[in-house]
Amino acid sequence: QKEVEQNSGPLSVPEGAIASLNCTYSDRGSQSFFWYRQYSGKSPELIMSIYSNGDKEDGRFTAQLNKASQYVSLLIRDSQPSDSATYLCAVNMRDTGRRALTFGSGTRLQVQP
Amino acid sequence: DAGVIQSPRHEVTEMGQEVTLRCKPISGHNSLFWYRQTMMRGLELLIYFNNNVPIDDSGMPEDRFSAKMPNASFSTLKIQPSEPRDSAVYFCASSFRQSRDEQYFGPGTRLTVT
Repeated sequence: QKEVEQNSGPLSVPEGAIASLNCTYSDRGSQSFFWYRQYSGKSPELIMSIYSNGDKEDGRFTAQLNKASQYVSLLIRDSQPSDSATYLCAVNMRDTGRRALTFGSGTRLQVQP
Repeated sequence: DAGVIQSPRHEVTEMGQEVTLRCKPISGHNSLFWYRQTMMRGLELLIYFNNNVPIDDSGMPEDRFSAKMPNASFSTLKIQPSEPRDSAVYFCASSFRQSRDEQYFGPGTRLTVT
C-alpha cells in the first residue's frame, strides 16, 4: 500500500468550475500536509499547507484536512486554464521520525476553456 | 529573495562518466533535500541534511550515489559511474525548521545518461 495516494487523473473540469483533488495517507500520526503544483517541465511549487483539522482558505484555493479519516483535499474555485497542472500531495510521515516529506504520485488537472 | 539555485540545469553525459549536481539552498534554511523525479517512480527522496549533517540517506539507490553538504550554503550530489537508468530530473529543496516542514524546490537538473 502506497503511503500517500492520489488519483492520477486526468481530472477535467470546465473553466469557472470547482476542481476537487483528493489525497489519502497511511500514517495516522502525520502532522504536516502540503499541496504542490507542478507545471510540465517545471519544479513543484508550494501552494498550500495545512496542519489542523478543518478548512484553510487562500484566495481561490481551499485545503481541507480530516485526520480521523486520513485524507486531505484541495478545492480550486473558479478554475482557470492556467490551473492546468499536476497537483502533488505531500505528507510528513512522523512515524519515521523524519522531517522529510512523502509525496503522492500527483493528480493531473485539465481546465477546459 | 533568491530561491533555491541548482546547476547545471541540463546535463547530458555518457554512461560511465561522473556527474556532479550542485545546489544552493535559500539563505537561512537549515534543511536540504535531494529528490529524483521520473515518470515511472514519481518524486523520490534521495537524502536529506539538517544543519549540514546527513540525516537520512535511505533513498540513495546505491553506492554510485553520494551527497555532501560542506557548509550551509552548498551541497553536491555525485553519481559515479553514471548509468542510463539514472536519467531523471533531480531536484534540490530546502526548508527552515520553524516553518513546519514547508519545502521550497529549486528548478531542477535534467540528467540524461546515454
